[in-house]
Amino acid sequence: DQQVKQNSPSLSVQEGRISILNCDYTNSMFDYFLWYKKYPAEGPTFLISISSIKDKNEDGRFTVFLNKSAKHLSLHIVPSQPGDSAVYFCAALTSGTYKYIFGTGTRLKVLA
Amino acid sequence: NAGVTQTPKFQVLKTGQSMTLQCAQDMNHNSMYWYRQDPGMGLRLIYYSASEGTTDKGEVPNGYNVSRLNKREFSLRLESAAPSQTSVYFCASSQGEADTQYFGPGTRLTVL
Repeated sequence: DQQVKQNSPSLSVQEGRISILNCDYTNSMFDYFLWYKKYPAEGPTFLISISSIKDKNEDGRFTVFLNKSAKHLSLHIVPSQPGDSAVYFCAALTSGTYKYIFGTGTRLKVLA
Repeated sequence: NAGVTQTPKFQVLKTGQSMTLQCAQDMNHNSMYWYRQDPGMGLRLIYYSASEGTTDKGEVPNGYNVSRLNKREFSLRLESAAPSQTSVYFCASSQGEADTQYFGPGTRLTVL
C-alpha cells in the first residue's frame, strides 16, 4: 500500500511557464514533507521542505503548498527553466521515526 | 568537501555471492541511511543509523545487514545476493532526523 503517491509519471511544460507537481499521501501521522530533484546517474538533491504546521513555503522559484485536510502537497516552479528538467520526488516523514517514505517520482521536461 | 561518497559505482554479482557497499560522508553528520531505487518506484529505506553506534530497520531490510563503522562510514552488506536485489543503492546522511539529507551518487548493482 503506497502511502505517498505521485500520480503523474511525467509532465511537459514550456520554458517560462509554471510547473505544478502533485503528491498525495494517506498517512495522517506524516508531519514533515520534502521535495527532491534527481538528474540521471546522480543522487537526489534536496529542493524544499514544509512542516505540517505551515501551508506554504517559498524558496526562490520554488513554492510548496500543503493541504492537510486533502492530504495533498504540490510543488510550483515559476518560471520553469530547461535546467529544471529532472525527476522530482516528494517524501514524507513522521517525526521521531527517521523513516522517510518517497513517492514514485514525476519526470518534468521543460521545453525551450 | 566530497560530501557523500559511495563505492563501487557498478557491480555485477552472481546469485549467492556476497558483497559490501561502502558509504562515507565528510560533513560530520549524525545520521546515515541506505535506500534502494527500483524502476517505477520511489526510494525505499533499507536501514538507517540515527547516530553513531545505532542502526535500525527501514521499510525493506530483509536480505541486508549494515554496520555503522564510525561517524563517517555506514556500510551495507548483502550476505547472499538474489536477483530481486538488483537495484540502484543510494546512501544519504543528515545532521538530524528532519534535516536535509545529502545523497551519494549511487551504486548500480546487478545480480544474475
